[in-house]
Amino acid sequence: AQSVSQHNHHVILSEAASLELGCNYSYGGTVNLFWYVQYPGQHLQLLLKYFSGDPLVKGIKGFEAEFIKSKFSFNLRKPSVQWSDTAEYFCAVNGGGTASKLTFGTGTRLQVTL
Amino acid sequence: EPEVTQTPSHQVTQMGQEVILRCVPISNHLYFYWYRQILGQKVEFLVSFYNNEISEKSEIFDDQFSVERPDGSNFTLKIRSTKLEDSAMYFCASSERGRARGEQYFGPGTRLTVT
Repeated sequence: AQSVSQHNHHVILSEAASLELGCNYSYGGTVNLFWYVQYPGQHLQLLLKYFSGDPLVKGIKGFEAEFIKSKFSFNLRKPSVQWSDTAEYFCAVNGGGTASKLTFGTGTRLQVTL
Repeated sequence: EPEVTQTPSHQVTQMGQEVILRCVPISNHLYFYWYRQILGQKVEFLVSFYNNEISEKSEIFDDQFSVERPDGSNFTLKIRSTKLEDSAMYFCASSERGRARGEQYFGPGTRLTVT
C-alpha cells in the first residue's frame, strides 16, 4: 500500500527565510507526486505536481519541488517565504495508470512571522 | 475560475441519524471523489465515482456510506447511521480525467460533528 510521510509537523519561519518541507513516499510502482496548500479558511489548492521528466518542478507562488527517486522524496522548497505563505502544506501521491486516488501525508503547518 | 462547492459548511447531527453532504463539482468534470480528514489526522480517500458508479472505495467506505449523483450537477455522500467517529471534515473533489494525471480540484469541505 502506498504511504506518504511528512516529517515536519509545524514549522515557524521569519519572512525572507528559506523553506524546505520534507516528503517521503512509499509505493511499489510509478508514482505521480503533488503538493497541495490549504490557506486558512480555504480549499486545498494544487501548488505543483510531478508526473515525469525534469525532476525539478516549479509551481505557483515561487514554490518548487525536487523528485529524487533514489530517496523516494519530493521535498518542497521556496527560497524566500512571505507572511502570506502561512498555511498547511500537504504532500500527496497516486499511482501511475488508472489509480487516481490520492494518498496524503499528515501535513505541515507553516507559520511565517513578520 | 470554476470551483467545487460544498454544502453545508458545518453539519451537527446526533449519533444514529442520517446525513447527506452535498457537492457541486466543476461542470465539465466527469470524475468525483470524497475524502475525509479527522481532526489532527491525514486526509483519507473514501470513494471515487465515474459514469454513475463507484470506481474505487477504501475500507473506510462501508455499508453505512453511499454516494449518488442524483442530477447533472450534484454529487452527494450519505451516511446512513452516523457514529461519533464519523466526525471529520469531508472534502469533495472532481477532475476532468480519471487517470492518475487528472488534477483533482477540492471543495472547501463540510465539517461534520456527531454528538
